[in-house]
Amino acid sequence: EVQVVESGGGLVQPGGSLRLSCAASGLTFSNYWMNWVRQAPGKGLEWVANIKQDGSEKYYVDSVRGRFTVSRDNAENSVYLQMNSLRVEDTAVYYCHGSYAPADFWGQGTLVTVSS
Amino acid sequence: QSVLTQPPSVSAAPGQKVTISCSGSTSNIGNDYVSWYQQLPGTAPKLLIYDNNKRPSGIPDRFSGSKSGTSATLGITGLQTGDEADYYCGTWDSSLSAYVFGTGTTVTVL
Repeated sequence: EVQVVESGGGLVQPGGSLRLSCAASGLTFSNYWMNWVRQAPGKGLEWVANIKQDGSEKYYVDSVRGRFTVSRDNAENSVYLQMNSLRVEDTAVYYCHGSYAPADFWGQGTLVTVSS
Repeated sequence: QSVLTQPPSVSAAPGQKVTISCSGSTSNIGNDYVSWYQQLPGTAPKLLIYDNNKRPSGIPDRFSGSKSGTSATLGITGLQTGDEADYYCGTWDSSLSAYVFGTGTTVTVL
């Protein structure tokens, strides 16, 4: 059974930093492209970033490029999202998402609130 | 603002069929495979369709996908109350070097 645990969300002031973590078990983690997807309150899905299986390629949505960094540790079956210079508009539920078609898994989501 | 456009909502009676369109461009839908995701209220999204028209194990054949040019369509037949959810299309955009989701469609069973 696949289990996914996300952590690291919380309340942070504008300009602050947070590091999100996502740990998966019950699968071969190193097979998966890993994504971070966010959903602002009452809004749709927005892809944030992803990282290739071996970490050699990383991509970001324009609004976070230069502020967020995605990384992974296949030995720990984990992916991370370091978020710096946070803005009010970064407030959202952040999901980790693993993709290796047709296999696909999502975390439960972790809420990030940026507010003074 | 998403580059993939979906209707905000569709509705039908139980047992009926609905279709959800996803309109894009040559840099996204016209250039790569489309996936569809279902998000039930208060839960994480779930993959329904991948590679335009394939269903993962466990997804009933009431759900179908198709693609033509720069548009894709999700069909749901035999509509059930449990199908009430938000549905999103998604694909890679080669111009943006980014994955893009559609604007999302809420399905209501009347």
